[in-house]
Amino acid sequence: DQQVKQNSPSLSVQEGRISILNCDYTNSMFDYFLWYKKYPAEGPTFLISISSIKDKNEDGRFTVFLNKSAKHLSLHIVPSQPGDSAVYFCAASEFGGNKLVFGAGTILRVKS
Amino acid sequence: DAGVIQSPRHEVTEMGQEVTLRCKPISGHDYLFWYRQTMMRGLELLIYFNNNVPIDDSGMPEDRFSAKMPNASFSTLKIQPSEPRDSAVYFCASSADRVGGGYEQYFGPGTRLTVT
Repeated sequence: DQQVKQNSPSLSVQEGRISILNCDYTNSMFDYFLWYKKYPAEGPTFLISISSIKDKNEDGRFTVFLNKSAKHLSLHIVPSQPGDSAVYFCAASEFGGNKLVFGAGTILRVKS
Repeated sequence: DAGVIQSPRHEVTEMGQEVTLRCKPISGHDYLFWYRQTMMRGLELLIYFNNNVPIDDSGMPEDRFSAKMPNASFSTLKIQPSEPRDSAVYFCASSADRVGGGYEQYFGPGTRLTVT
């Protein structure tokens, strides 16, 4: 049973445009959400996170939105750059929990 | 800080051999996690430690897999005997404690294991 789902295996975006990566979850006990970026032959790198008490968190070009009622979060990258091309993983944890549950990942390709 | 360090980066071994993967977490981090990434199953948690004590090993696939953390700066994941289906990338990650949850985990570069 996949508790964290990233239904789009891949996404292709033109440089300078917005990239929107989506993530859905089923576990209502999740209260902290993270996005990781992964380049080939490297480990995942923490990108941005959001607590369930917020609906938006922004860090430079990256913004994460959380819709608790829909159990949905998204990562917006504006403007997209070729260096953003990577695999993006959504992850979630329960309150006070230490385990992260990861989605399957979405491959983002930013074309120049 | 040097980040999470894993060794070796690549390991090729024959079926039936013992394999030991090593990890040095970020200094000061209380939690250490071992993950496995495959095409079929994605990134899955195998086991994690808190203050060197194994907390949850429910993700360890079989008795052939074992993990230890003898001190705060070193952990091993051992597979004995190894099988071709163990071929995957194994990641180690560490995180600091944070009251109320919300632990960002920091990953090492991974060990690519190939069992022939």
